[in-house]
Amino acid sequence: SQQGEEDPQALSIQEGENATMNCSYKTSINNLQWYRQNSGRGLVHLILIRSNEREKHSGRLRVTLDTSKKSSSLLITASRAADTASYFCAPMDSNYQLIWGAGTKLIIKP
Amino acid sequence: DGGITQSPKYLFRKEGQNVTLSCEQNLNHDAMYWYRQDPGQGLRLIYYSQIVNDFQKGDIAEGYSVSREKKESFPLTVTSAQKNPTAFYLCASRYSTEAFFGQGTRLTVV
Repeated sequence: SQQGEEDPQALSIQEGENATMNCSYKTSINNLQWYRQNSGRGLVHLILIRSNEREKHSGRLRVTLDTSKKSSSLLITASRAADTASYFCAPMDSNYQLIWGAGTKLIIKP
Repeated sequence: DGGITQSPKYLFRKEGQNVTLSCEQNLNHDAMYWYRQDPGQGLRLIYYSQIVNDFQKGDIAEGYSVSREKKESFPLTVTSAQKNPTAFYLCASRYSTEAFFGQGTRLTVV
């Protein structure tokens, strides 16, 4: 069910800059996952952060989680043209259901 | 090569026809999901199955049906009762807390 919300809805930056996307949700969660979707394609799993973790890194990705504020952020450093895609955060509730928002559309300008 | 395979990639349906979308996984995952995605939107849950021979309705199950006769397969039938079936359909499977997606099927009513 759609109870998540990403912010901003769209983001356009120059190649090499950092991109930050935020996510908020309403329920208690087991973990929170970030996915990337290229236009017309399936979703690619980027990173999972557990509810007892506050920060996680994977390559150029940095994810934070604040369960008290029910929010998360995804930072992509040194952006590349290939990072152009839609990004979704998906909190997973206690029933192992993923909660989806409308995503953030990221455009990297060369 | 492990993963989730959805077929076909593109599907055209005449009004009043039922069509079946295929989803096969060789990841040995127990849980499988079907989502619908409309342009610029997040994912909405149609049906899910936690185990063979069992499945549950999601948020938008009306006009859809599924079966789960084998662990590897979770086909989705879009029936003529679904009034607005044109959309992008995504299948996913889950092991523990991590979910993986197929490449999607784009269904268009002609």
